[in-house]
Amino acid sequence: GQNIDQPTEMTATEGAIVQINCTYQTSGFNGLFWYQQHAGEAPTFLSYNVLDGLEEKGRFSSFLSRSKGYSYLLLKELQMKDSASYLCAATDSNYQLIWGAGTKLIIKP
Amino acid sequence: DTAVSQTPKYLVTQMGNDKSIKCEQNLGHDTMYWYKQDSKKFLKIMFSYNNKELIINETVPNRFSPKSPDKAHLNLHINSLELGDSAVYFCASSLGVAGANVLTFGAGSRLTVL
Repeated sequence: GQNIDQPTEMTATEGAIVQINCTYQTSGFNGLFWYQQHAGEAPTFLSYNVLDGLEEKGRFSSFLSRSKGYSYLLLKELQMKDSASYLCAATDSNYQLIWGAGTKLIIKP
Repeated sequence: DTAVSQTPKYLVTQMGNDKSIKCEQNLGHDTMYWYKQDSKKFLKIMFSYNNKELIINETVPNRFSPKSPDKAHLNLHINSLELGDSAVYFCASSLGVAGANVLTFGAGSRLTVL
């Protein structure tokens, strides 16, 4: 079956760095997405990886290893506004998105 | 200028009623989706339309019926509402169905069935 695994919840301190891991098992693979969802709001796009390696976008970076079925989202210089759920989603061979349940990130002062 | 707008934002209704949620996008996208997000925050695809044609129809009770009058609109009608239908329903759109297919979501419609 197709599956996405990510931790349910993580806690980090303002100003620190946090890494949110995601492992995936899909029938074929056509890319991996990270979305951010603040409580009571819609998910918004953060990053897309289709090739191995690190993609950096300001304070946020996303990494992909296709051979390991693994990705992570790295958040640097954490701010209180980064408190949100982070959703990992992989695209299978039919370009259907398989979603993880999300990681709730709690930032403490 | 909301890119993907859905109405209503909140919907409270009794079991057995029929209700509709409307969605419109002004991004010129070809593909639109309905997702259900339950209390555990898991996003589950329900339907997807590409240029008004149904392309994804997941295992959803046939009480749920999508309608796409044109590629900018995708409405969701739900008959005989049940308690388990309580959730947040998100409409989304994307340029196409393949590649780096970024989804733009609407603000969500929170349905509460009493």
